[in-house]
Amino acid sequence: AQSVAQPEDQVNVAEGNPLTVKCTYSVSGNPYLFWYVQYPNRGLQFLLKYITGDNLVKGSYGFEAEFNKSQTSFHLKKPSALVSDSALYFCAVRDGSGAGSYQLTFGKGTKLSVIP
Amino acid sequence: SAVISQKPSRDICQRGTSLTIQCQVDSQVTMMFWYRQQPGQSLTLIATANQGSEATYESGFVIDKFPISRPNLTFSTLTVSNMSPEDSSIYLCSVGSGGWMETQYFGPGTRLLVL
Repeated sequence: AQSVAQPEDQVNVAEGNPLTVKCTYSVSGNPYLFWYVQYPNRGLQFLLKYITGDNLVKGSYGFEAEFNKSQTSFHLKKPSALVSDSALYFCAVRDGSGAGSYQLTFGKGTKLSVIP
Repeated sequence: SAVISQKPSRDICQRGTSLTIQCQVDSQVTMMFWYRQQPGQSLTLIATANQGSEATYESGFVIDKFPISRPNLTFSTLTVSNMSPEDSSIYLCSVGSGGWMETQYFGPGTRLLVL
């Protein structure tokens, strides 16, 4: 079984400050990890992923995430938040061991509010 | 990444009726997925649809309630049958991309309200 925990329902940050949205995961095989963003009345947009390689991955709109195997975490970060970053952020995990299942398991989401 | 469109974008339906949601992709894809996002909740996978075979349903979802068609490599439909207010959700299709379907890209979603 695989699972994702996003411990914060909401994160508030002032514009220009760094932001972090937390994610921890559990998966039996190799973790494939993803961040998606959902703006109001929109679908999910892919931000970034970790499959293999460097633990720090960079994605769209200046976001990055750090894979930490020992802590089973994949926190989303951005050095300087913009008001336009305000949205709902989902972390997701998949077992990448090739067992045949492509199922993505999502966290419950974290609402990010960037305050002007 | 593929461009994915869904129809309708939103609908209001009466209980007991059925609605068919269409998902169109601008390129051929092997696997398509259907998700449900209930109000204020996360996404839950309903089923995986491969062209030329029966859809594979996740626990808690059955074909009689959510029949799926996949007639070709660019198109799929999901029907929500005999609807009740509990079916009010956003329904999203996604497609896999990459060697191991590494990344899933999502359509804009269909917002369904059942009265």
